[in-house]
Amino acid sequence: NAGVTQTPKFQVLKTGQSMTLQCAQDMNHEYMSWYRQDPGMGLRLIHYSVGAGITDQGEVPNGYNVSRSTTEDFPLRLLSAAPSQTSVYFCASSQTGGSEKLFFGSGTQLSVL
Amino acid sequence: QQQVKQSPQSLIVQKGGISIINCAYENTAFDYFPWYQQFPGKGPALLIAIRPDVSEKKEGRFTISFNKSAKQFSLHIMDSQPGDSATYFCAASLDTGRRALTFGSGTRLQVQP
Repeated sequence: NAGVTQTPKFQVLKTGQSMTLQCAQDMNHEYMSWYRQDPGMGLRLIHYSVGAGITDQGEVPNGYNVSRSTTEDFPLRLLSAAPSQTSVYFCASSQTGGSEKLFFGSGTQLSVL
Repeated sequence: QQQVKQSPQSLIVQKGGISIINCAYENTAFDYFPWYQQFPGKGPALLIAIRPDVSEKKEGRFTISFNKSAKQFSLHIMDSQPGDSATYFCAASLDTGRRALTFGSGTRLQVQP
């Protein structure tokens, strides 16, 4: 059981480049989300989805896009990378209803030069 | 604007000692308070969680104490072990189905042998 899989693990971008961070889960979870982790700031919610075709903004959505075409996948797109987006990004999923336990991936460390 | 304030930033405890991490929240509508544990290079993992209808929850060596009137909650790790060395995050959420956690800034715990 792989759980939540994120790719790539590391990425270096130049300012203005675009890229997509991939996230896949094999637990049939309806809820998926993206967080960014910055030193001294904990984790902050970027976007989330409660099911295929449904997405919404979190606390820090600017500069990021998401879509949810399948239950399994929830990619995060950076349209024009900025140095302020240098961070560690975590994807998380959970069942809807009942336990709110979030299952996190192992993260993507992104540097924007 | 940080809705969940966590302290201390770092903590060094001797093996066998008690580790105590504190959190305070502002939004009285929060009704779910989990603690997540994160090892280097890994995503956070749920450790223990509490709802405001109880004042304490214990799971093995880990205990959450909750003070609703003071809007504070804390994690106690009894008989701390070197394997407990990790970063700990408190969090809070509203029961809106969004599964959107507001995280504290994290505490880096080091348990010395």
